[in-house]
Amino acid sequence: GNSVTQMEGPVTLSEEAFLTINCTYTATGYPSLFWYVQYPGEGLQLLLKATKADDKGSNKGFEATYRKETTSFHLEKGSVQVSDSAVYFCALSTQGGSEKLVFGKGTKLTVNP
Amino acid sequence: GAGVSQSPSNKVTEKGKDVELRCDPISGHTALYWYRQSLGQGLEFLIYFQGNSAPDKSGLPSDRFSAERTGGSVSTLTIQRTQQEDSAVYLCASSLQGPGTAPYEQYFGPGTRLTVT
Repeated sequence: GNSVTQMEGPVTLSEEAFLTINCTYTATGYPSLFWYVQYPGEGLQLLLKATKADDKGSNKGFEATYRKETTSFHLEKGSVQVSDSAVYFCALSTQGGSEKLVFGKGTKLTVNP
Repeated sequence: GAGVSQSPSNKVTEKGKDVELRCDPISGHTALYWYRQSLGQGLEFLIYFQGNSAPDKSGLPSDRFSAERTGGSVSTLTIQRTQQEDSAVYLCASSLQGPGTAPYEQYFGPGTRLTVT
């Protein structure tokens, strides 16, 4: 079946540090890949997505590249801010049918001033 | 416009009681999803609606769980004879499937936190 594995947290960084959260997937077919973010006290929201190999999704300074050869979709940001503190979820969906999301376990990021 | 809303935001119930959780999707969104977020299992898919029908119920954990959707809009997730392991945050999401190109973004509600005592 389809599955997503992401690095366990929590991750604690200082402001302006470089962020990487690793994500790898197993899927039949050709999945679309997503990063969702859950800020404290808020609902899940889409951060970025990529739908085919070598696509780069980007938003709010975050980037992730769809790597089919390594089945990975690592999230990166060059300089994190305190406001980036949140839980980040890597997810996939396969086209056709329900397009239900399969999520990783989530990685809690805390950025200190 | 209004986002996905869910009610109640919190529900505490005694083991063995039935509960109903409600989801109001974004107006016009044809697809509706229920997910469950728990400490042990992370975020899990429960059920998918397209209009009023549920072609994918593969995530429902037992026959105590059921859901319906009426008028292509509001959905209710019902848990019968609740157990302590049902304690979790239940999330609803909706998306506008078609026209356009998949994948269609899913918009999540704030969730209902269910505690079974």
